[in-house]
Amino acid sequence: GNSVTQMEGPVTLSEEAFLTINCTYTATGYPSLFWYVQYPGEGLQLLLKATKADDKGSNKGFEATYRKETTSFHLEKGSVQVSDSAVYFCALSDRKAAGNKLTFGGGTRVLVKP
Amino acid sequence: SQTIHQWPATLVQPVGSPLSLECTVEGTSNPNLYWYRQAAGRGLQLLFYSVGIGQISSEVPQNLSASRPQDRQFILSSKKLLLSDSGFYLCAWTEAGIWALHFGNGTRLTVT
Repeated sequence: GNSVTQMEGPVTLSEEAFLTINCTYTATGYPSLFWYVQYPGEGLQLLLKATKADDKGSNKGFEATYRKETTSFHLEKGSVQVSDSAVYFCALSDRKAAGNKLTFGGGTRVLVKP
Repeated sequence: SQTIHQWPATLVQPVGSPLSLECTVEGTSNPNLYWYRQAAGRGLQLLFYSVGIGQISSEVPQNLSASRPQDRQFILSSKKLLLSDSGFYLCAWTEAGIWALHFGNGTRLTVT
């Protein structure tokens, strides 16, 4: 079956530091890949996505590249802010699965200190 | 524009009591609808999804059930809550064929 593995948190950084959150996946076929962000007490928001190999998704200074050869979709940001403190989820969708279901990783909590 | 409403935001219920969480979507028709649960410190678990009125697929056998009485309404229910039902419940929707989910703000359920 499909699965997503993320690095465990919490990840604690200082403001303006470089952030990387590793994500690897196992899937049959060619999934689409996503990063979602969850701010405290809220639901999840789509941060970025990539639908095919070598695609780069980007939003709000975050980037992730769909690497089929390493089955990875690592999230990066060059200079984090306190407002980036949140839980980040990597996810994949199996285009062959009924119902457009997403498989999520366990989430990585990021804490940015001023 | 499309919006998703989920309520209540928080709920404290005793063990053995019933549960009803409601989710509605506005601004779209025939969405795919989902219920996820997020246990404390853990990832998201898909509980139910629906591709149309009256069509419910269950992902994990459990104490909960779901119903879709109207096109844009999705309800999560239980007849008797267990302590293990505590968690953060999230409703989500997407258009058929589109894989980006849109989530509600969630309901934090504490079963005491």
